[in-house]
Amino acid sequence: DAGVTQSPTHLIKTRGQQVTLRCSPKSGHDTVSWYQQALGQGPQFIFQYYEEEERQRGNFPDRFSGHQFPNYSSELNVNALLLGDSALYLCASSSPGLVGETQYFGPGTRLLVL
Amino acid sequence: QKEVEQNSGPLSVPEGAIASLNCTYSDRGSQSFFWYRQYSGKSPELIMFIYSNGDKEDGRFTAQLNKASQYVSLLIRDSQPSDSATYLCAVKGTGGFKTIFGAGTRLFVKA
Repeated sequence: DAGVTQSPTHLIKTRGQQVTLRCSPKSGHDTVSWYQQALGQGPQFIFQYYEEEERQRGNFPDRFSGHQFPNYSSELNVNALLLGDSALYLCASSSPGLVGETQYFGPGTRLLVL
Repeated sequence: QKEVEQNSGPLSVPEGAIASLNCTYSDRGSQSFFWYRQYSGKSPELIMFIYSNGDKEDGRFTAQLNKASQYVSLLIRDSQPSDSATYLCAVKGTGGFKTIFGAGTRLFVKA
């Protein structure tokens, strides 16, 4: 049973560039959430996708956008990268049918913006 | 006031001791509570979730929830060096779908 997968594992970009991160949820899960984790901090909620719609968004600017595909996989796009966007980006999958909608995390994408 | 607060630590305990990790939250209507373990350079790994007042045990781990005091704790019995990690408390609030994480407590178990 494949868990949550993310690609790429590492990425280096320069300021002003755009980046796309990808996530495939755990088998049987239909909900994908994206988090940003800066060094020494807990994960910060960016947004959640369910049924191909963004159903809640955290306190992140419009430069952060996403998409969910019919197979439940998801992309996170970040435009006009800033140095402060350097972080570990985590994808978590869940399902409304799970008790507490427990989330399971992928390995993350480490983004460095120079 | 932060929505989910944890002591950043580090918390250092000797091997075989009980490690006690604490977390408070501000949203009184929160319904679901989670503990994740995160090793350095890795992603968070779910340890336990709890949603009813009282204790929930799973192997060496016990989660405790007190909604009246807005307090969640995690006890690790017979701590092992392999338990050395950052422990993240997470809370799912009311009226939404997002899960809010604390900054984590670093635990060191000395052999």
